[in-house]
Amino acid sequence: QSALTQPASVSGSPGQSITISCTGTSSDVGTYNLVSWYQQHPGKAPKLMIYEGSKRPSGVSTRFSGSKSGNTASLTISGLQAEDEADYYCCSYADSFTFVFGGGTKLTVL
Amino acid sequence: QVQLQESGPGLVKSSETLSLTCIVSGGSISSYYWSWIRQPAGKGLEWIGRIYSTGSTNYNPSLKSRVTMSVDTSKNQFSMKLSSVTAADTAVYYCARGRGPGTIGDYWGQGTLVTVSS
Repeated sequence: QSALTQPASVSGSPGQSITISCTGTSSDVGTYNLVSWYQQHPGKAPKLMIYEGSKRPSGVSTRFSGSKSGNTASLTISGLQAEDEADYYCCSYADSFTFVFGGGTKLTVL
Repeated sequence: QVQLQESGPGLVKSSETLSLTCIVSGGSISSYYWSWIRQPAGKGLEWIGRIYSTGSTNYNPSLKSRVTMSVDTSKNQFSMKLSSVTAADTAVYYCARGRGPGTIGDYWGQGTLVTVSS
């Protein structure tokens, strides 16, 4: 069970859109539409932003959206705001009733 | 509002067993999946395993031989034991609730730092 692959860092200016990719395999992302995305600010617990690929929990801004193509899931943040600066982790349900996280992506708002 | 609170020793000696409990308040522990996740300082998240309220468990294959999880519905809490710990097990440990079988955490605890000393 290998970690999902995410870019180490992405950046964007306020108001712009950015996309974070999350690449897995046919044992996880490619088979199950059960990718979730978490936002983590320094020293804080992760916060669920997207679940089951593209669903937003109540209270999460519509600026956050999720999608999937093949073995790669993506998180898009539109209308970047300073408060979006954080680490983002993808997580996928995988074979044998397990879960695997991505290595995390640091988002910098310029 | 559901709240989770991890509790347990902050310092564990190498080769001993790490034990943590997560107390759930503001909601029932029944009919949900409950996970443990850890994060070494400056590193990413690692899923340790989960337990359903009936006691059914799933573990990370890389930790399966050392992990045991249990649930106490009467106390609305669940627990984890990790045996034969080493310095590599030093991390912030989080407990979390899964809103369904395919998601880990719609609610998370604040996390507790566990340091393994030699």
